[in-house]
Amino acid sequence: QKEVEQNSGPLSVPEGAIASLNCTYSDRGSQSFFWYRQYSGKSPELIMFIYSNGDKEDGRFTAQLNKASQYVSLLIRDSQPSDSATYLCAVNPPGSARQLTFGSGTQLTVLP
Amino acid sequence: DGGITQSPKYLFRKEGQNVTLSCEQNLNHDAMYWYRQDPGQGLRLIYYSQIVNDFQKGDIAEGYSVSREKKESFPLTVTSAQKNPTAFYLCASTEGNYGYTFGSGTRLTVV
Repeated sequence: QKEVEQNSGPLSVPEGAIASLNCTYSDRGSQSFFWYRQYSGKSPELIMFIYSNGDKEDGRFTAQLNKASQYVSLLIRDSQPSDSATYLCAVNPPGSARQLTFGSGTQLTVLP
Repeated sequence: DGGITQSPKYLFRKEGQNVTLSCEQNLNHDAMYWYRQDPGQGLRLIYYSQIVNDFQKGDIAEGYSVSREKKESFPLTVTSAQKNPTAFYLCASTEGNYGYTFGSGTRLTVV
């Protein structure tokens, strides 16, 4: 079983819609969770991190964490074509210091 | 501006050749990492270092070597023992628990 799982997509949404990206993880003691955006041919850039159960909002982005169910999600409101990218979920498993384990990413396309 | 610099951006390796990828950071971060990304795949950990003069193997260390002689620098050597080195290589650093800062990457191709 993969430690961090994401639907590979592709996920397509129309411009202005809400895009919902999901991630599940296997290590129940994981404490820190991160979402990265990666444009084609570029390196990942951090867009959100969340440590506590519940929601965390930053502009058009909302991260949701449910440790009991071991999933973390990213909502993008008012999606724009510039949001088209691959979104990587990363988890800090217990006992791994600051090391992150990444999912394989979900490719999002926002259609004009 | 603080950040991580990877060089070169593109690198071509001949069969049997060793090549070294550079990673330099001026963020004063203790921890540094090397990841490999294959098309359509996530990031796989090659090596990491938490402090100077110390480093540990990641999940796919075979065929790679690193050094950490200075806090700012964490070069990765892809040796001839790595039979399938064509990939996108990413260097990252972190301090605290706020996620990684990534360099811009090196795209390595075997010719």
